[in-house]
Amino acid sequence: GDSVTQMEGPVTLSEEAFLTINCTYTATGYPSLFWYVQYPGEGLQLLLKATKADDKGSNKGFEATYRKETTSFHLEKGSVQVSDSAVYFCALSDRSNQGGKLIFGQGTELSVKP
Amino acid sequence: GAVVSQHPSRVICKSGTSVKIECRSLDFQATTMFWYRQFPKQSLMLMATSNEGSKATYEQGVEKDKFLINHASLTLSTLTVTSAHPEDSSFYICSATVGTAISNQPQHFGDGTRLSIL
Repeated sequence: GDSVTQMEGPVTLSEEAFLTINCTYTATGYPSLFWYVQYPGEGLQLLLKATKADDKGSNKGFEATYRKETTSFHLEKGSVQVSDSAVYFCALSDRSNQGGKLIFGQGTELSVKP
Repeated sequence: GAVVSQHPSRVICKSGTSVKIECRSLDFQATTMFWYRQFPKQSLMLMATSNEGSKATYEQGVEKDKFLINHASLTLSTLTVTSAHPEDSSFYICSATVGTAISNQPQHFGDGTRLSIL
């Protein structure tokens, strides 16, 4: 079945460092891909999305490119801030399988130190 | 836009009681709502999908009689944990979308409910 795999955390960075969180997926159809962010004690917020190959999603300085050839959707940010500390979830939604439900990766905790 | 309100944010109760959690879409009509459970340091596990006016569809391994879901209107879904026990303690999160599960519309999440059963 469809699945999402993220790099394990926690990831600890200094402020203004470059961030990459790897995400790869397995899907039988043509999924849409998402990054969600969860701040402590809160629900998830949609960070960005991409619906087809080579699309780039971007928001708040974060970006991710839908790479069909490598089945990847890595999250990047050029300069992280302390306020970016959170758990980041990569997810896919596949209309041709699973009825379009969201399938999440295991989450990657990011901690940014001043 | 697309705000989902979940209530209560935290509840502590004794074993054997039933607990109701509400999920409301505040500024849109939610055709489909989802209920997730999240264990500490883990990902979200989909429990069930509910469509307004019809019975919820539960994921494999989720007890229907334990977790009662009602989606009575386009803006409200409720999850009732019946006869709750300590093993039901968890973080429960709802989400809502304007389309059906198959339409690939983004899901908008509530802030979650921390349930602690003593």
